[in-house]
Amino acid sequence: DSGVTQTPKHLITATGQRVTLRCSPRSGDLSVYWYQQSLDQGLQFLIQYYNGEERAKGNILERFSAQQFPDLHSELNLSSLELGDSALYFCASSISGTESSYEQYFGPGTRLTVT
Amino acid sequence: QKEVEQDPGPLSVPEGAIVSLNCTYSNSAFQYFMWYRQYSRKGPELLMYTYSSGNKEDGRFTAQVDKSSKYISLFIRDSQPSDSATYLCAMKENQGGKLIFGQGTELSVKP
Repeated sequence: DSGVTQTPKHLITATGQRVTLRCSPRSGDLSVYWYQQSLDQGLQFLIQYYNGEERAKGNILERFSAQQFPDLHSELNLSSLELGDSALYFCASSISGTESSYEQYFGPGTRLTVT
Repeated sequence: QKEVEQDPGPLSVPEGAIVSLNCTYSNSAFQYFMWYRQYSRKGPELLMYTYSSGNKEDGRFTAQVDKSSKYISLFIRDSQPSDSATYLCAMKENQGGKLIFGQGTELSVKP
């Protein structure tokens, strides 16, 4: 158990809908990362937050947004869902957002299926 | 072309074999080189990391980085069925926490 929790475990929804994925980082970790894992693209970095502020952005679609709250939990919002958004979404956390962030602790993931 | 290339396999070996997993990359700014292991239906977990070039050994695992060739390797000695998993190489620059992952190699160790 990494100490990172994600809810829900599974999500099935229809095209055009909006969903929210939730992540609680390990106790003491200030950085939260979101990744998308699909069969064709592999594990791709979406976005990083550090202590409430956006720190880095990857290949995150404009339909997707995220935030980190004062209690350090984070939410990833996915809207106008398309079939291609079906994937595993992982949250990870680390103590810092810089050099030592090579060690990221991953949650169990949320499996999103868009029908 | 992807920043990090990794053969997805699958790779099947008998128990006790030496396993070699590899990745190549194109971004010369990468300074941290990691190997993550992912069991089925689980999140990835850090196995080993190396800063800059060189070798690192941890038990049955050895990580090698050759920055001049932009090539990294993970060797597993005396492989065990419990090593069956997907192995992902990952890299990052000095600053920031953005990890760039390879496609992952699925390894199966047969008893």
